[in-house]
Amino acid sequence: DAGITQSPRYKITETGRQVTLMCHQTWSHSYMFWYRQDLGHGLRLIYYSAAADITDKGEVPDGYVVSRSKTENFPLTLESATRSQTSVYFCASIAVNYGYTFGSGTRLTVV
Amino acid sequence: GESVGLHLPTLSVQEGDNSIINCAYSNSASDYFIWYKQESGKGPQFIIDIRSNMDKRQGQRVTVLLNKTVKHLSLQIAATQPGDSAVYFCAEPPPNNAGNMLTFGGGTRLMVKP
Repeated sequence: DAGITQSPRYKITETGRQVTLMCHQTWSHSYMFWYRQDLGHGLRLIYYSAAADITDKGEVPDGYVVSRSKTENFPLTLESATRSQTSVYFCASIAVNYGYTFGSGTRLTVV
Repeated sequence: GESVGLHLPTLSVQEGDNSIINCAYSNSASDYFIWYKQESGKGPQFIIDIRSNMDKRQGQRVTVLLNKTVKHLSLQIAATQPGDSAVYFCAEPPPNNAGNMLTFGGGTRLMVKP
């Protein structure tokens, strides 16, 4: 639904390639998050951002880079994709304390 | 849609029956809990939350119960409908309670039989 948009919806990339997943929110929420969702692991936090130009590592940050030059955008980059990064990636932002709103996800396959 | 988890605990209920989904937590200092619903191919959606100063909170057809003694919370769905079929996650802030982060449980798949 309107408010937080992820792109692309699906992506296939080759091992070693750089790929960027986009996340855009229209509310100007301060906090934004990137999670990955894998079979047997649930949702795990990769990176989060408290505001523009402020980012911090989550539980599984290795192999990922984020930036937040504008409040509304929070792209996630895989610098050199590996097969272990095949996953579904969700971006989220916060309306009120802990009340996350999630995007629809990006299914990434690394071959 | 994508598979959320082929090895998730699964609860199968008949349409119209009540559903109870359980979640255990480990941090006795946790003071806030949220339930999320994730339908196939979608991101998780907020359902209901509860603070530790409450034992029970009710929403529309959903009730969350919190038992701090045994560190357990449950989500009760009344008159379960096919549209309730989804994976349900409980979530809580991590022990360091930093950055508005949430730690998610592994999830329970609810299947509603017509």
